[in-house]
Amino acid sequence: GAVVSQHPSRVICKSGTSVKIECRSLDFQATTMFWYRQFPKQSLMLMATSNEGSKATYEQGVEKDKFLINHASLTLSTLTVTSAHPEDSSFYICSARALERLVNNEQFFGPGTRLTVL
Amino acid sequence: QKEVEQDPGPLSVPEGAIVSLNCTYSNSAFQYFMWYRQYSRKGPELLMYTYSSGNKEDGRFTAQVDKSSKYISLFIRDSQPSDSATYLCAMSEPGGSYIPTFGRGTSLIVHP
Repeated sequence: GAVVSQHPSRVICKSGTSVKIECRSLDFQATTMFWYRQFPKQSLMLMATSNEGSKATYEQGVEKDKFLINHASLTLSTLTVTSAHPEDSSFYICSARALERLVNNEQFFGPGTRLTVL
Repeated sequence: QKEVEQDPGPLSVPEGAIVSLNCTYSNSAFQYFMWYRQYSRKGPELLMYTYSSGNKEDGRFTAQVDKSSKYISLFIRDSQPSDSATYLCAMSEPGGSYIPTFGRGTSLIVHP
């Protein structure tokens, strides 16, 4: 299967700082990348959808100025949590959809990034 | 009512048992149905993918979709301790961006 990596896997930061999370598709080109947030024992909540070279589409209730998404290439998307606060502490997961797998619409998930804001 | 309902569990079974995991949904437009497995502190991985109604089998796993009842199931035969994980159902409509709606996941524990 296709591989998606995320970096870092875990980050602890102080309140008010910004944190950048990278999502890379390692062996395929991703037309679209998705960013999810998952609280303990809760489902994946889609935050935003990004297509390479265009602005991300944010889900209702997600602040685009707080969660900056950049999709600079077909293999890299970044999520920056600006001025992080303790309530932003969560598990952030990206996924990618491959150009050649559009028939099944399959998404390949990264391993996630655990963000803890003190 | 949420679009996708899934009992969070935990569901605890002995090794070798047949496991049945289920989801119900309310959106009759859903046509694509998926099951993901998520180990603790890891991202989900796709287990099964079905389109419309019917059954699909892959090794010890069988996915069933009953669109008339808006009910999907995942069966695991001869369950193993390594199957212990959270299983999320997901479904999407055809057309547009195919973005899936996820259930909250069922935590499965298979004890030796």
